[in-house]
Amino acid sequence: GDSVTQMEGPVTLSEEAFLTINCTYTATGYPSLFWYVQYPGEGLQLLLKATKADDKGSNKGFEATYRKETTSFHLEKGSVQVSDSAVYFCALKVYSGGGADGLTFGKGTHLIIQP
Amino acid sequence: GAVVSQHPSRVICKSGTSVKIECRSLDFQATTMFWYRQFPKQSLMLMATSNEGSKATYEQGVEKDKFLINHASLTLSTLTVTSAHPEDSSFYICSAGGTRYGYTFGSGTRLTVV
Repeated sequence: GDSVTQMEGPVTLSEEAFLTINCTYTATGYPSLFWYVQYPGEGLQLLLKATKADDKGSNKGFEATYRKETTSFHLEKGSVQVSDSAVYFCALKVYSGGGADGLTFGKGTHLIIQP
Repeated sequence: GAVVSQHPSRVICKSGTSVKIECRSLDFQATTMFWYRQFPKQSLMLMATSNEGSKATYEQGVEKDKFLINHASLTLSTLTVTSAHPEDSSFYICSAGGTRYGYTFGSGTRLTVV
């Protein structure tokens, strides 16, 4: 079946540090890939996505590139801020052709940014 | 943008009682809603897909008689955990999908069964 593996947290960094959160996947078809972010007390919000190989998703300074050869979608940011502290989820969706489909999620990575 | 409201955010119930969790799409119609569950240090796992006006589709291993899903209108889906037990304690989160906004998630419900 489909699965997503992402690095365990918590990840603690200082402000302005470089961030990488690793995400790899296995899928039976050609998935779309997503990163979601959950701030304390809020629902999951879509951070960025990529729908085909070599696509790069970007938003709010975060980037991730769909690497089919390594089945990866690592999240990066050049300079993190305290406000980036949240839980980050990597997810995938493989269209079945039968209508709306649910997402397959990783376990989430808790990111803590210290001033 | 699309907003999904989920209530309650936290609930504590006694073993053997039932708990209802509501998920509402506030400014759009959601023909399809998804219910996920997350155990500590585990992934969000899809439990079921509910479609307005029809029976929910449950993922393998999810007891449909225990987790009752009702999607009677285009803006409301409910998940009822019947005869709850401590092992049902978890984080439950709903999502509305298939809109032009993609997937919109509720803020989740932390259920604790004592």
